[in-house]
Amino acid sequence: NAGVTQTPKFQVLKTGQSMTLQCAQDMNHEYMSWYRQDPGMGLRLIHYSVGAGITDQGEVPNGYNVSRSTTEDFPLRLLSAAPSQTSVYFCASSYDASGYYEQYFGPGTRLTVT
Amino acid sequence: AQSVTQLDSQVPVFEEAPVELRCNYSSSVSVYLFWYVQYPNQGLQLLLKYLSGSTLVKGINGFEAEFNKSQTSFHLRKPSVHISDTAEYFCAVSGLSGGSYIPTFGRGTSLIVHP
Repeated sequence: NAGVTQTPKFQVLKTGQSMTLQCAQDMNHEYMSWYRQDPGMGLRLIHYSVGAGITDQGEVPNGYNVSRSTTEDFPLRLLSAAPSQTSVYFCASSYDASGYYEQYFGPGTRLTVT
Repeated sequence: AQSVTQLDSQVPVFEEAPVELRCNYSSSVSVYLFWYVQYPNQGLQLLLKYLSGSTLVKGINGFEAEFNKSQTSFHLRKPSVHISDTAEYFCAVSGLSGGSYIPTFGRGTSLIVHP
């Protein structure tokens, strides 16, 4: 099992550009989520999905879009990048959304917006 | 709404000394509790979890945590730390909030082990 994979590992964008951060898992997990990690702020939930075709907003959804067309993939789209979106982004998955099961995290994408 | 407070943002300690990383949570219902570790430039991985039963939970790398319902705490301990334990540690809680069990993470505690 590859677990949770994320691409790219690093990305530099100019303000106003758009891009998609890719996330895939091969564990047949129902629940997937995206977090951003900023110094002193811990992990903040951006969007999550409890199954294919179902997504919902987390704590900091503005400026981001998601979709979940398959169980395996959960891409995160930045619509018009801003310097405030400079961060490290983590994708995570869990067996289901019951809260009972731990989350498995990808290695992260380090994004810089200039 | 549930919340998690990690009382120390940074904990420096010497190698082979004991350490305790503190975590308090607020939730009005039964919860599941987790500790994750993040080594430099990596994603998070599970250290240990409390789901039910014995309040003392043992995890990987010699870590353990104790669930205290009356004090709403889930402190992480290790009797003797190694340099390799230097990392960021996150406490997380899952409890019914707003109709879902979406987990909430604390802000993290940076454990710095000095030789």
